[in-house]
Amino acid sequence: AQSVTQPDIHITVSEGASLELRCNYSYGATPYLFWYVQSPGQGLQLLLKYFSGDTLVQGIKGFEAEFKRSQSSFNLRKPSVHWSDAAEYFCAGRSRSGTYKYIFGTGTRLKVLA
Amino acid sequence: GAGVSQTPSNKVTEKGKYVELRCDPISGHTALYWYRQSLGQGPEFLIYFQGTGAADDSGLPNDRFFAVRPEGSVSTLKIQRTERGDSAVYLCASSPLAGETQYFGPGTRLLVL
Repeated sequence: AQSVTQPDIHITVSEGASLELRCNYSYGATPYLFWYVQSPGQGLQLLLKYFSGDTLVQGIKGFEAEFKRSQSSFNLRKPSVHWSDAAEYFCAGRSRSGTYKYIFGTGTRLKVLA
Repeated sequence: GAGVSQTPSNKVTEKGKYVELRCDPISGHTALYWYRQSLGQGPEFLIYFQGTGAADDSGLPNDRFFAVRPEGSVSTLKIQRTERGDSAVYLCASSPLAGETQYFGPGTRLLVL
């Protein structure tokens, strides 16, 4: 079955420190991949997406993600975290054929220490 | 421009009641999706529409759930005989065409007492 896994439920980092959020996928073929951020009471905001081509993808708010086929991973990174980055982050995948539904991971809640 | 909007933002109902949740997609978006997000979980797909027709309803949990999009724009998710387990945030998303990037609304938080 297709799945997206985010191994870390909670992550705490200090402001100014670097960040990496992990995402692994299981699909028959490489899916389209997305990272969304959800702040309390807010909807999901798209940070970045990977369809094909360059495996290092740049997004909004200084985020980037790297697609690694050999590891079935699409990890999200930021070199220097700001307090406003505290939120929940979701990785999602979509099959390249058939249905257009997204499959989401369970999310990683990021806490930023001042 | 305006994003996806959902009404109401919060809905409290009693077990056994009927509820309707509304979604207004981004203007011009032909595809519309519904997801359900339970506490501590990621969103789970329910149904998506291409135009007026439901193209994939494989995520609807049972026949108490139904969704319509009669004019290809606004959609309503309908839940009959609500159960406490239906309590969740119901998210709507839209995309210009099916298969393109989905843009999400703020959700409707449903609480069934």
